[in-house]
Amino acid sequence: EIVMTQSPATLSVSPGERATLSCRASQSVSSNLAWYQQKPGQAPRLLIYGASTRATGIPARFSGSGSGTEFTLTISSLQSEDFAVYYCQQYNNWPPGETFGGGTKVEIK
Amino acid sequence: EVQLVESGGGLVKPGGSLRLSCAASGFTFSKAWMSWVRQAPGKGLEWVGRIKNKGDGGTTDYAAPVKGRFTISRDDSKNTLYLQMNSVKTEDTAVYYCTTVLYCSGGTCYSGDWGQGTRVTVSS
Repeated sequence: EIVMTQSPATLSVSPGERATLSCRASQSVSSNLAWYQQKPGQAPRLLIYGASTRATGIPARFSGSGSGTEFTLTISSLQSEDFAVYYCQQYNNWPPGETFGGGTKVEIK
Repeated sequence: EVQLVESGGGLVKPGGSLRLSCAASGFTFSKAWMSWVRQAPGKGLEWVGRIKNKGDGGTTDYAAPVKGRFTISRDDSKNTLYLQMNSVKTEDTAVYYCTTVLYCSGGTCYSGDWGQGTRVTVSS
C-alpha cells in the first residue's frame, strides 16, 4: 500500500523567507500529486495539482515540482497568511484511493 | 460560487448510526463526482469515500476502514450528498468534509472545493 511521507513535520520560517516542503511517495505516483493548505479552524484549500499546476486563484509565490516519488512545494516569500498546515495527496494508485501525507506545519519563526 | 454545507454531525454511541448531509449549490451537482474526507482531532486528512454522477454509473468507492459500515448516496433532485454511518467506532470521531472531485487518474482522485465540515463524536 502506498504511503505518503512529508518532511519536516514543522518548519519555522520568518516572514519574507522561502519555505521548502517535501513529500515522498513509497512508490511512483507519476505527476498525480496535489497539495492542500489548511489554516486553523478552516477546511483545506487546493493549492497545486498535477504536481506543479496552481489551482485557480493561488498566488504565484506557491510552486510545486517533482515527479515519481519526490515532490516539493515551495513558497517563495512567506506572507502572514501562509502560516498553515500543508498536505500532499496522491491520486495515482488504486487501491487504496486518495492518500494524504501527514502534513507539514509552517509556523512563524 | 460553489457552496458545500455539511450538517448532521453530533454525538453518537459506539455501534450507533448517524447520517450526514451536504447541501450543494453554485454548480451542476448532478454532473459532479463527490467525496467525503475526514479529519480526526489534531490529526491529518483521511479519505472516506466517493460517489460518481449517475451518468458515470453512480457507483461508490470506500476506504478500507469504513467499507461495509458507511454508505454514500446522493439525491440530485435536492442537490444533496449523504454519508450514512453505521456501526460507528470511537475511531470514527472526526470532522467530516464533503468535497467536489475535480479529476481522477487510475481510479483515484483529488478534490477541488470543500465544505466547512461537520463534527462527529463517537463516545459512550
